[in-house]
Amino acid sequence: SQKIEQNSEALNIQEGKTATLTCNYTNYSPAYLQWYRQDPGRGPVFLLLIRENEKEKRKERLKVTFDTTLKQSLFHITASQPADSATYLCALDIADSWGKLQFGAGTQVVVTP
Amino acid sequence: SAVISQKPSRDICQRGTSLTIQCQVDSQVTMMFWYRQQPGQSLTLIATANQGSEATYESGFVIDKFPISRPNLTFSTLTVSNMSPEDSSIYLCSVDSRLAGGSTDTQYFGPGTRLTVL
Repeated sequence: SQKIEQNSEALNIQEGKTATLTCNYTNYSPAYLQWYRQDPGRGPVFLLLIRENEKEKRKERLKVTFDTTLKQSLFHITASQPADSATYLCALDIADSWGKLQFGAGTQVVVTP
Repeated sequence: SAVISQKPSRDICQRGTSLTIQCQVDSQVTMMFWYRQQPGQSLTLIATANQGSEATYESGFVIDKFPISRPNLTFSTLTVSNMSPEDSSIYLCSVDSRLAGGSTDTQYFGPGTRLTVL
């Protein structure tokens, strides 16, 4: 079955630095990979999607890379701000299904001033 | 984008009772998804709610425990039956953006229902 691994330890980072999160997966070749942000008591909010034939995608201060050989995606928050503090989830599409996603456990990011 | 609301936002229930969670979408969608997020865990897909047919359940989830209704294209309910403390979780509904009129493969989530079972 598909497995998704994200670093379970919280990432503590100083404001202005770049936060880098890792998402590793096994036993599957997803057509696309997504990153979501989740704040306490809220549902996840979509941030970025990257397809299997894309190496990198950017949105404002966010950058996602996708290495299908390593089966890994990296998520970068540049010039981090305290407002970026949240849990970040990666998600893969589930094979042979429409709209179903499998999520990683998420990595908490704490940005301190 | 789709706006999704859920009721109740939270509840505390006694063991053995049942709770029905409502999910309302502001646009018509053919499929809605129900997820569970246990404390400190990731989201786990419970089932897909299809309008006009039975819900499709994922491995480990059964209809007797999590009956789902889908009376129309904008509404769904999930019932957590005969609850035990292990059912304490956040329950979330979502829709695929393509099915909500969007063009990208993302999902819109409701705010979640935080359930505590004593």
